[in-house]
Amino acid sequence: QVQLVESGGNVVPPGKSLRLSCAASGFTFSTYPLHWVRQAPGRGLEWVATISSGGNNKYYRESVRGRFTISRDNSRGTLYLEVNSLYSEDTAIYYCSRTIREYDYSYMGDWGKGTTVTVSS
Amino acid sequence: IQMTQSPSSVSASVGDRVTITCRASQGISSRLAWYQQTPGKAPKLLIFGASTLQSGVPSRFSGSGSGTEFSLTISGLQPEDFASYFCQQADSFPYSFGQGTKVEIK
Repeated sequence: QVQLVESGGNVVPPGKSLRLSCAASGFTFSTYPLHWVRQAPGRGLEWVATISSGGNNKYYRESVRGRFTISRDNSRGTLYLEVNSLYSEDTAIYYCSRTIREYDYSYMGDWGKGTTVTVSS
Repeated sequence: IQMTQSPSSVSASVGDRVTITCRASQGISSRLAWYQQTPGKAPKLLIFGASTLQSGVPSRFSGSGSGTEFSLTISGLQPEDFASYFCQQADSFPYSFGQGTKVEIK
């Protein structure tokens, strides 16, 4: 079955960087767009970024554009999120998710358990 | 596109019918999903395309609407349905979620 396992979260001071990873298995990785979605403590869900199946098309929310970079390695079945210049407002659980249909960005059908990023001095 | 859910919370009993609404700030056709989230867990997709039930989701969940007004109805609340619910528009980037509705036990 589909499995998504995030890692890389940590406690970091403001301004620092992290690389989050999402290891996928149980499906043909290279045919599905993927998303990062985050949730700050006690808050709702916030879409962060999306990457196309081939990795050529990338979309970001305005507040992270220029600081975060989404990428994927289809040979390794792994999704990444490089997060730079972290602010306290970036503190959240970061989930990776897979779309429900191949080559279709729309809906997030499978989710990992998340990895926690805490930005604190 | 801003997504506004109402109510932000609702108290209900097992067996009740609950309806949550979601309004988009501009028309999104039927490109809307609903997710359920229980504390400490990842979200779970319930409905996509405004009204299509995801595989494995009980039929007591239903969705309707198009354009800017949408609703999620739970007919006959079960104990496992006490959770938070979020709508999400998938019409255009940046994707956006509603702020959530918490369904609590009365």
